Amino acid sequence: AQSVAQPEDQVNVAEGNPLTVKCTYSVSGNPYLFWYVQYPNRGLQFLLKYITGDNLVKGSYGFEAEFNKSQTSFHLKKPSALVSDSALYFCAVSVHGAGNMLTFGGGTRLMVKP
Amino acid sequence: EAQVTQNPRYLITVTGKKLTVTCSQNMNHEYMSWYRQDPGLGLRQIYYSMNVEVTDKGDVPEGYKVSRKEKRNFPLILESPSPNQTSLYFCASRRGSSGSYEQYFGPGTRLTVT
Repeated sequence: AQSVAQPEDQVNVAEGNPLTVKCTYSVSGNPYLFWYVQYPNRGLQFLLKYITGDNLVKGSYGFEAEFNKSQTSFHLKKPSALVSDSALYFCAVSVHGAGNMLTFGGGTRLMVKP
Repeated sequence: EAQVTQNPRYLITVTGKKLTVTCSQNMNHEYMSWYRQDPGLGLRQIYYSMNVEVTDKGDVPEGYKVSRKEKRNFPLILESPSPNQTSLYFCASRRGSSGSYEQYFGPGTRLTVT
């Protein structure tokens, strides 16, 4: 069975500082990894994904994530946080060849303070 | 505008009264899915559909039904709702059969069963 862990319920950062939201996964096979963001009273929006190739992937709004196969991690990062980045972030995984199930982590609330 | 729509957005009902939440997408996507979101648990997949007349169970299918008679529509049916089905529900769609494609989410339906 596949699973995703987001070890932090909440991450607090000051505006302008770098941010990291952690994600680790467990799958049998090669993973497809995703980050989604949810703003209040909205559906989830796609941020970025890792399918294959370069371990560092860049996405929307200046976010990036690094795939680390040995540590089974896919941490979300941004060099300089904005107050408008405050939202709920979800990491998700599916498996190459069995892509019908998308498994989500529990979510991490990012709070960026001015 | 490419989008996934859900109706209703908010619903309060009583135990045992059948209800349907509609979902429609205008992107000609083959794959559609239903999730429920509960605090601390992230999103859990209820049912998914690879194409018209093809549906399958996700992680938490008990108490739910779906149908896919048209490509654009994927309604979620609760034939006898119970209080433990109080949750925030999301419909999503993506193209193709590969899990490498990102999903597009509807705005959500907040269901309360008393």
